[in-house]
Amino acid sequence: GQQLNQSPQSMFIQEGEDVSMNCTSSSIFNTWLWYKQDPGEGPVLLIALYKAGELTSNGRLTAQFGITRKDSFLNISASIPSDVGIYFCAGRRYNNNDMRFGAGTRLTVKP
Amino acid sequence: SQTIHQWPATLVQPVGSPLSLECTVEGTSNPNLYWYRQAAGRGLQLLFYSVGIGQISSEVPQNLSASRPQDRQFILSSKKLLLSDSGFYLCAWSEGGTNNYGYTFGSGTRLTVV
Repeated sequence: GQQLNQSPQSMFIQEGEDVSMNCTSSSIFNTWLWYKQDPGEGPVLLIALYKAGELTSNGRLTAQFGITRKDSFLNISASIPSDVGIYFCAGRRYNNNDMRFGAGTRLTVKP
Repeated sequence: SQTIHQWPATLVQPVGSPLSLECTVEGTSNPNLYWYRQAAGRGLQLLFYSVGIGQISSEVPQNLSASRPQDRQFILSSKKLLLSDSGFYLCAWSEGGTNNYGYTFGSGTRLTVV
């Protein structure tokens, strides 16, 4: 199936710093989603993007659906300790049986 | 509102023993249901998905099987567990068809095969 390349694999940042991670693919997707997984829990949806070029915010989180429909990024501003976790991008092509996930970005925030 | 329940939360099983993990969804009908496995610190690997009762699609050949005996129930099974079956198993659901609401995940089952 289509591969999603998510980077970076891991990040170690200081509290208060901004974070940026992205996801790219060789295939076009019609929906991009970003999830966060806390340790020992299932991933939780943070932001969903439905149109090329769309920029959506959720509190300190901002995500964009790339113009080419082959990429997306997630920014976190002014990081706090509870931002720690694994962030996954996901792309959906035509229907809900066709969702692909990136390998995740593990975020560590030092107080 | 819709909720998804997954149990047990943790499980330690000996090699060669059977496995049964259960997932149920409430508050919706005819959902798509999914089983994922996550190795330690790794990404999500889709194992099975189902678009209806008795309909199972397998993504990866393995030692596991899935069944959907009822509309909102999804079961992951194995007749004989292997050490390599250890991992974090996640059930998820989504609306059927082509809407854009993404997946909702359960809280996961940590399986350790010893």
